[in-house]
Order: sequence, then C-alpha cells, then structure tokens
Amino acid sequence: GAVVSQHPSWVICKSGTSVKIECRSLDFQATTMFWYRQFPKQSLMLMATSNEGSKATYEQGVEKDKFLINHASLTLSTLTVTSAHPEDSSFYICSASASSGSHYEQYFGPGTRLTVT
Amino acid sequence: RKEVEQDPGPFNVPEGATVAFNCTYSNSASQSFFWYRQDCRKEPKLLMSVYSSGNEDGRFTAQLNRASQYISLLIRDSKLSDSATYLCVVNGGYSTLTFGKGTMLLVSP
Repeated sequence: GAVVSQHPSWVICKSGTSVKIECRSLDFQATTMFWYRQFPKQSLMLMATSNEGSKATYEQGVEKDKFLINHASLTLSTLTVTSAHPEDSSFYICSASASSGSHYEQYFGPGTRLTVT
Repeated sequence: RKEVEQDPGPFNVPEGATVAFNCTYSNSASQSFFWYRQDCRKEPKLLMSVYSSGNEDGRFTAQLNRASQYISLLIRDSKLSDSATYLCVVNGGYSTLTFGKGTMLLVSP
C-alpha cells in the first residue's frame, strides 16, 4: 500500500525558534500533499494544500508566512513553523494523494508532535 | 449545520457486540466518502472507502444514503482491538477532505 513518512515524529523547541517537518511518499509519487493540524480532542483541520512545483494553497486563518510549505519534488513536502510559540504546539500530520481508479485517496504520515516551551 | 457531523460517543460495547455509527454531511455535491480509524496519538488510517451504495469488508460494512446525506459504519463481532476513534470523512472534490470529529469506540472484555 501507499506509505507516507514524516520526520521528526516529535520535537520540543523553545519559543521563537523554527521547526521543519518533512513529509515523504515512499512508494508512490504524490503531486499533491496536504498538511493538517490536530489539537487534543479535535478533528483534523486542513492547513494547506501543497502542489509540486507551485505555491501552496492555505486555508482561511492559516498564516502563510508563519507556516512555510515547500513541495520540491513529487515525493517530498516540508512544513516549517517559523518563530514557534506555545500555541503552535499541536499534532501536525501530512498526507499524500494517490489515485485509486477514478478516485483519489489520501494516505497519512505518522504525524509530528510539536511542543513549544 | 456542521459540514460533517458525528456522535462523539464514547460507545462502550462488550466484545462480540455489533455497533453502528452514523455520520451526516452537509455538502450535497460530495463525491467520495471514507471511514478512517485513528488510535490515540496516532495518524488516521483508511478503514474503508464508500463510493456507491455501500460496501463490506469482513466485519465492517459501510453504507451511503445520498438522499438523506448520511453514511453509516457497522462493526460486527467487535474485538478489543477495534477500540479507537472512527472518523467520517467526506471528499467534495479532488483534493479537499473534510473530517468529522470522530466517534470513540471502547470495546471491553
């Protein structure tokens, strides 16, 4: 099946620093990758849609200058949380889209748990 | 009305029981529907895709009612390992997935 990896799986950083999270599709090419955030006991919230070779599309309320997304290849997208603050502490999950016949299914990475102190 | 609505539960059932979850969605143009399973502090994993009137996979049966805009998931002969949060997910187009908040299932011995 389609496998998506994320690195790191967890990170603790100090307020004001930047953190980069990598998302890779291991056995398929993903023209589109997605970044989600999930707070405790909440549903996944889409942050942005990342297309290879073009600028990401951000959801309303998500600051593009704070959450920098780069989709440099068909198998790699990165999310950089710049100048992180404690309120950015969350579970960040990426997914990659793969075709299943006439439909597209999303496969999720294992997530990155970010704690900002 | 919320885009995707689920009863948060928890549903507490004994092993071997049959349990059903319902989910309603607001976007009548939605094309694809999925059930994902999410274990605590883990990523969601695709359980079933629901493309037409419904489908069955072992102990799991998913059904779709487009007229009433709801999707259901039936789990038969519940196992302890079925304990998780079940997410109803709707795809309104190529790229956008909308997640429900999930229904928690707790299966006890």
